[in-house]
Amino acid sequence: EAGVTQSPTHLIKTRGQQATLRCSPISGHTSVYWYQQALGLGLQFLLWYDEGEERNRGNFPPRFSGRQFPNYSSELNVNALELEDSALYLCASSPKFPGEANGYTFGSGTRLTVV
Amino acid sequence: DQQVKQNSPSLSVQEGRISILNCDYTNSMFDYFLWYKKYPAEGPTFLISISSIKDKNEDGRFTVFLNKSAKHLSLHIVPSQPGDSAVYFCAASEGNYGQNFVFGPGTRLSVLP
Repeated sequence: EAGVTQSPTHLIKTRGQQATLRCSPISGHTSVYWYQQALGLGLQFLLWYDEGEERNRGNFPPRFSGRQFPNYSSELNVNALELEDSALYLCASSPKFPGEANGYTFGSGTRLTVV
Repeated sequence: DQQVKQNSPSLSVQEGRISILNCDYTNSMFDYFLWYKKYPAEGPTFLISISSIKDKNEDGRFTVFLNKSAKHLSLHIVPSQPGDSAVYFCAASEGNYGQNFVFGPGTRLSVLP
């Protein structure tokens, strides 16, 4: 069974540009979660999608947005990039709504560097 | 204000000995707790969980203890193995719902052969 896959692995952008990160959940999982891990900090909850809808978002500005497609894959978009957006972005998926922790599987992440 | 704290950024333990990783939380509404392990260049993987109705949960070499009055939990690894070297994240939530999880900053464990 393929795990949660994220692309790209690394992304370098210039301040002010837009970044698009992609996530494919485990087959059968309908919920997708996005987390940000900045250096020295824990995982900060960004967004939760289930069945194509945004269910919850964390304490991040509106320039962080995303969507979930009919095949349950998801995209995270970060507009007007700032230097402090440099972080590891992790995607996780779970098999049902509401998600259960034991079925909460993370991808390997996308390392975004803003220069 | 961090709701979940892991005050030790790093910990070194000799192979075969016990590793104790600590986690403190401030939100008394948290009633579900998890530990995740993360190797470099990989995503975090679920290790063990505990709900507030218990004070201990054991899975092989891993045991999690919960002290609700102190708002403290700990992960014990006995015996520690070099393959346990990783970053360990503590997470807490109100209810067992993934979107509510609050993660700590992590503790890097090094198990020395």
